[in-house]
Amino acid sequence: KNQVEQSPQSLIILEGKNCTLQCNYTVSPFSNLRWYKQDTGRGPVSLTIMTFSENTKSNGRYTATLDADTKQSSLHITASQLSDSASYICVVSLGYTGFQKLVFGTGTRLLVSP
Amino acid sequence: EAGVAQSPRYKIIEKRQSVAFWCNPISGHATLYWYQQILGQGPKLLIQFQNNGVVDDSQLPKDRFSAERLKGVDSTLKIQPAKLEDSAVYLCASSLRKPGANTEAFFGQGTRLTVV
Repeated sequence: KNQVEQSPQSLIILEGKNCTLQCNYTVSPFSNLRWYKQDTGRGPVSLTIMTFSENTKSNGRYTATLDADTKQSSLHITASQLSDSASYICVVSLGYTGFQKLVFGTGTRLLVSP
Repeated sequence: EAGVAQSPRYKIIEKRQSVAFWCNPISGHATLYWYQQILGQGPKLLIQFQNNGVVDDSQLPKDRFSAERLKGVDSTLKIQPAKLEDSAVYLCASSLRKPGANTEAFFGQGTRLTVV
């Protein structure tokens, strides 16, 4: 069964601190892995996309890593800001020819407190 | 570039009533998705279109939910009759069709449905 699991479920950190969110997946055939940020009341917005051959990708203060052998990914947030408070969703794309199918994790709810 | 447009933003209905949501994807995007996101959970795929054909509707409760994509562009999702457990945010997303490519999926802001 294609599944994406994320941990922790929720996290509270102080402004300025770093944090790391985890994602484990059992998806086949694998095409790519994405991290989305979802602010309350809004649709998800893409942070990074990584293919099988990519180990790390950065987007500003966000750095995602991918270990395709262990089927694990992490999202590291550096020097957190209040605006980082959101849900972070790990999404794995199945590699079907002709179209892509997305499998969503349940997300990690991050709260950055002053 | 205009994003994915959804309407309405909010809807409150009584159980057993019907409701319809509308989505206008990004111009040129062949793939359109409808997701249901219950509070505190990740989005769950209801239906996926490739142009105006259905690619995956395995998780669509077909006894009450229906969706269509007119001429491969706009799409509507209907619930009839609604149940209390249908209360959720309904997200529409679209992406380009490129076999094997890492195409981005863009999401609309969603329609928040409350069934009372």
